[in-house]
Amino acid sequence: DIQMTQSPSSMSVSLGDTVTITCRASQDVGIYVNWFQQKPGKSPRRMIYRATNLADGVPSRFSGSRSGSDYSLTISSLESEDVADYHCLQYDEYPYTFGAGTKLELK
Amino acid sequence: EVQLVESGEGLVQPGSSMKLSCVASGFTFSNYGMNWIRQAPKKGLEWIALIYYDSSSKYYADSVKGRFTISRDNSKNTLYLEMNSLRSEDTAMYYCAKGSEQDYWGQGVMVTVSS
Repeated sequence: DIQMTQSPSSMSVSLGDTVTITCRASQDVGIYVNWFQQKPGKSPRRMIYRATNLADGVPSRFSGSRSGSDYSLTISSLESEDVADYHCLQYDEYPYTFGAGTKLELK
Repeated sequence: EVQLVESGEGLVQPGSSMKLSCVASGFTFSNYGMNWIRQAPKKGLEWIALIYYDSSSKYYADSVKGRFTISRDNSKNTLYLEMNSLRSEDTAMYYCAKGSEQDYWGQGVMVTVSS
């Protein structure tokens, strides 16, 4: 199975920060990486699809990028509503696999 | 508006069976593959199964293969997950999600396996 190694597992952040979360795939997954945001008690929300595409309704301060087997989610100028858990998912090969998640917390 | 509504939540004993449903609306259900994804308490997300739009192919995580069965009824716009030989480690919130791109998710249902 493909491993998605997500880092960091948690991050202490301040409003206005630029935040970057990374997932490293254990083998080639091409562009097939999604990023999800999850707030407490809520379902995940897709933020980025196919590594770099902004999902409908997602603010432009969110962006996705790829460098080789490293996939990153960047939040520019963090707002309070962005404090949440974030998960990456590879869907290039079955079984699909998630990263372990990143928890953003306010300082 | 796309909606996915899961049902079948409950508490069951280890070794027993349970069936979850996910009713879809707001899109042409028969055109999309569908996923089941779960999240154990205080843990990350785990993809567990996908079924093609026409039920021609089904894929499972190793953790549920041979115990869980994904199915669908396109005439009823409904996705199912039949879970057998349930274990305590199957305790989780179960979500259905639309398509190979997982663009919409249901609200989730809680399955608790405990004696």
